[in-house]
Amino acid sequence: QKEVEQNSGPLSVPEGAIASLNCTYSDRGSQSFFWYRQYSGKSPELIMSIYSNGDKEDGRFTAQLNKASQYVSLLIRDSQPSDSATYLCAVGIAGGGADGLTFGKGTHLIIQP
Amino acid sequence: NAGVTQTPKFQVLKTGQSMTLQCAQDMNHNSMYWYRQDPGMGLRLIYYSASEGTTDKGEVPNGYNVSRLNKREFSLRLESAAPSQTSVYFCASSARRSAYNEQFFGPGTRLTVL
Repeated sequence: QKEVEQNSGPLSVPEGAIASLNCTYSDRGSQSFFWYRQYSGKSPELIMSIYSNGDKEDGRFTAQLNKASQYVSLLIRDSQPSDSATYLCAVGIAGGGADGLTFGKGTHLIIQP
Repeated sequence: NAGVTQTPKFQVLKTGQSMTLQCAQDMNHNSMYWYRQDPGMGLRLIYYSASEGTTDKGEVPNGYNVSRLNKREFSLRLESAAPSQTSVYFCASSARRSAYNEQFFGPGTRLTVL
């Protein structure tokens, strides 16, 4: 049984600070890792994907992957109130597999103005 | 491009009724997926279609059937709805190129079974 674990929160962060979201996964065969943002009542929106160990930066977002520790994280710099949402970690299998993703239950992030 | 579209947006059914949820994508993606999202449970895969003409079960397929009508369309059918199928249903698609499996989601269908 593949599992993806996230702290459900809520995680409260002051505006302008760095928000740090964490995720662990159980399947060592996992090779693709994603962060989705979901606003209340809306669908998940892909914000970051990462496939190799290390950091990947895109604007204010940085994804970090450590396959040895089975750990993925998302950093949001200069947090804005509009970043308040639930962040879903998702994990997939390698090789261009079309298998569906395994999702964590999400971390609810609140950015305090 | 509209991306991934789903119909209907909302639906209320009585126990035992049947219905089909429709999904279409205009991104020329090969793979399509159906997920359900329940409070406290996260997103769970119901069925997926790796390519036109193929379908496979996901984590929670019982009570559902799917049809990959063509490359663009992937429908989900509830033959005899049960209250346990009250959920938000999301369709997603993926280009499935190389090692990448980035999935893009539709707006969802909120289903209530009474």
